[in-house]
Order: sequence, then C-alpha cells, then structure tokens
Amino acid sequence: NAGVMQNPRHLVRRRGQEARLRCSPVKGHSHVYWYRQLPEEGLKFMVYLQKENIIDESGMPKERFSAEFPKEGPSILRIQQVVRGDSAAYFCASSAQGIHQPQHFGDGTRLSIL
Amino acid sequence: GENVEQHPSTLSVQEGDSAVIKCTYSDSASNYFPWYKQELGKRPQLIIDIRSNVGEKKDQRIAVTLNKTAKHFSLHITETQPEDSAVYFCAAFLTGANNLFFGTGTRLTVIP
Repeated sequence: NAGVMQNPRHLVRRRGQEARLRCSPVKGHSHVYWYRQLPEEGLKFMVYLQKENIIDESGMPKERFSAEFPKEGPSILRIQQVVRGDSAAYFCASSAQGIHQPQHFGDGTRLSIL
Repeated sequence: GENVEQHPSTLSVQEGDSAVIKCTYSDSASNYFPWYKQELGKRPQLIIDIRSNVGEKKDQRIAVTLNKTAKHFSLHITETQPEDSAVYFCAAFLTGANNLFFGTGTRLTVIP
C-alpha cells in the first residue's frame, strides 16, 4: 500500500510566482491535512479537507493561500504571488476517518523562494 | 485553542540508557495524544499514540503515559539505540477543534 505521496519534493519559485503542491492520500483515506514547518520548528496546522469540502482553514493565511481536495485527483495547496517568507517545508497528512484518527504524513515539499 | 509545551528541546543520552520527553497541554478537553518521530529531511512518523481513557500504553521499547489531572503526557524510550536519534514531536487533539496541536519538538541524540 502506498503511503501519502507528495510532489514535488523540492520546488523553487521566484517572488511573485505561483506554487502548487500536490498530495495524494493513502488509498481509502478521505481526510487530508496540510501543515507547514519552518526549520527547527514544529508543525503548524494550515487546513483540513474532506473530499470536495474544506472543513477547517483556520491555520491558513486568508490571502494568497488556497486548498482543494477534488472528488478525483490529489489535494492541491496553492500559494499565489509567493514571498520569501513562504519558504518552508509543507507536509500533507491523511487519515481514514476524522481528525482523532492517526494521521500519516507524506515526505513533504520543500519550497524555496528566490 | 490548545497550547502544547514540550521539554526538553534537546536531549543527549548514552546508548542503552532511557530517554524521557514531556509535554503539557492546556485544555482538559483534549483526548488524543500522538507522538511523531522525524529524522532529518524526512516525514514525521507516528510511533505511538494514547487516548484519554487510557493511562499508559507500551510498544516494545516505547511507552507513553498520560496524566489527565495534571494535563501532561510523556514519551519513554528504553534501551536507546543510535537509530533512535531524531526529533520527536508530541501533539494533542482538542475535542471540538479540527486539528492537531504540535509541540515544538525534542532533538534526541543517542551517543554510541
């Protein structure tokens, strides 16, 4: 069974460009979570999605950031007009049921902004 | 919201010794507490978790204890090995919220 798959592993963007991060959950998992991790820091919750629905986006900046989890295909975290401060590792996790079930993480996407 | 504090931030032990990492949480409604191990440049891996209806859980060399009254939980690693070296994160799930709150991590170094 494949685990959570994220791509790309590394993404380099110039300021002002768009970044698209993709996450395919564990097969059969319908709950997806995105976290952001700065160097030497813990994981900060961004958004929680179920198929086609955003359940909680309280950790995601209201501007420039958006997330989706369509009926078909991977979950996408989109960052528009990137700035240097967006540089971080972005991790996706999935669970079979709700938030209180074990979350399994992908390898992350390391976003670097030039 | 929930506030999770984790101590120590760094921990060095000799191979074979035990390591203990402690976390406290602020909201008594939290009811699920997982622990993750993250090696450098890799994904966080769930190593053990505990729910609020249980006081202790053990899996081979790893154990977690929960004290609901004091609102703290701890990770215990016995007979440490060099491959245990990593950053360990605790987390808490607050009933009614929709996300895990993570501690700031403990960098464990096991000295051969």
